[in-house]
Amino acid sequence: LAKTTQPISMDSYEGQEVNITCSHNNIATNDYITWYQQFPSQGPRFIIQGYKTKVTNEVASLFIPADRKSSTLSLPRVSLSDTAVYYCLVGDGYTRGSTLGRLYFGRGTQLTVWP
Amino acid sequence: DAEITQSPRHKITETGRQVTLACHQTWNHNNMFWYRQDLGHGLRLIHYSYGVHDTNKGEVSDGYSVSRSNTEDLPLTLESAASSQTSVYFCASSEGEGGIMTDTQYFGPGTRLTVL
Repeated sequence: LAKTTQPISMDSYEGQEVNITCSHNNIATNDYITWYQQFPSQGPRFIIQGYKTKVTNEVASLFIPADRKSSTLSLPRVSLSDTAVYYCLVGDGYTRGSTLGRLYFGRGTQLTVWP
Repeated sequence: DAEITQSPRHKITETGRQVTLACHQTWNHNNMFWYRQDLGHGLRLIHYSYGVHDTNKGEVSDGYSVSRSNTEDLPLTLESAASSQTSVYFCASSEGEGGIMTDTQYFGPGTRLTVL
């Protein structure tokens, strides 16, 4: 399972676009890239998932270059409520009976949005 | 609405006592997970289950056990609580059709456990 490297913290101001980059140099062919968001005193919440190129939903965009060794989560026009920890996960779909069983959330990136 | 709940939300216990944390989901998901979250470590996987009567060890399973007797519940038991097990515990579930990583995981609100 490919481990990930993210910045520990980032700061931004309301209305700005925020880009959080995740490095995953050992990503395997079958691996997907998934991002979760966690607010204080809550469980993580799924934001977006992708395999290659660009994925966009109502919350964020995910940019994945051709070599897939990194990915960038883009949050357009952040607000104070986007202050949270953002986790990047990389891994493939496990089939029943797999002996791998490791899901690595890492330490995440603490994003703080200021007024 | 379907949901995932955890109980209790807060628990204080003493070293050596047995503690069971409950997790209940109403989505009828195949996969269920237990994580612990500590400062400086992010979330770490304790145990997970693909379905009824199936359980697997995660990254930090020592001192913990789980059993899956039905689809909805995956209780986490600390057989003999230790101070090192003071943490916030999260339960999660996913549908299971695409595998653990491709499935969206839905997390519960967490249980804050303090072992004195």
